[in-house]
Amino acid sequence: RKEVEQDPGPFNVPEGATVAFNCTYSNSASQSFFWYRQDCRKEPKLLMSVYSSGNEDGRFTAQLNRASQYISLLIRDSKLSDSATYLCVVNEMNYGGSQGNLIFGKGTKLSVKP
Amino acid sequence: EAQVTQNPRYLITVTGKKLTVTCSQNMNHEYMSWYRQDPGLGLRQIYYSMNVEVTDKGDVPEGYKVSRKEKRNFPLILESPSPNQTSLYFCASSVYGGNTGELFFGEGSRLTVL
Repeated sequence: RKEVEQDPGPFNVPEGATVAFNCTYSNSASQSFFWYRQDCRKEPKLLMSVYSSGNEDGRFTAQLNRASQYISLLIRDSKLSDSATYLCVVNEMNYGGSQGNLIFGKGTKLSVKP
Repeated sequence: EAQVTQNPRYLITVTGKKLTVTCSQNMNHEYMSWYRQDPGLGLRQIYYSMNVEVTDKGDVPEGYKVSRKEKRNFPLILESPSPNQTSLYFCASSVYGGNTGELFFGEGSRLTVL
């Protein structure tokens, strides 16, 4: 079974801090990578895709290191509203190269304090 | 409004009493999936469907059944619920499947089996 591993946290940080989450995946053939956000007792929602060259969306930066099978999410200038659980998600490639299902990490909990 | 709708949102039942959790999406998505989420275990896939009349087992299919007779609906059936099926259930859909990344989730169904 292919795995996606994350530090469960919780990460407790003050407002304005920069925080980084890491994720490793075991299937070297995986092609697609994502970060989802899940608020307490709510459904997960796509935060951003992760591209090979790295990508940024406002205060959020995602990086991919294929050689190390490692994905990261950096949040700058943390806001109270960033408090949530962040899920690392990897596409599971099937043998033969066909696209499979999305595999979710267990999530990293972030709590931003005033 | 584009959405995935699950019902019921909350249910308390007793061991052995058959129940169905409905899921409907209005986005004409081909791919639909059911997950359960438990503390410390993250999101685990129960069943998925790549298209009408095409369903397949996920990681934890035991004790569950699904059907996909129409594109928009993907009900989850618990023929004889047991207490270990107490969980938070999410239905999700996407355009083509795992590689597209953006899964749209329903709001979740919290099931308690006594």
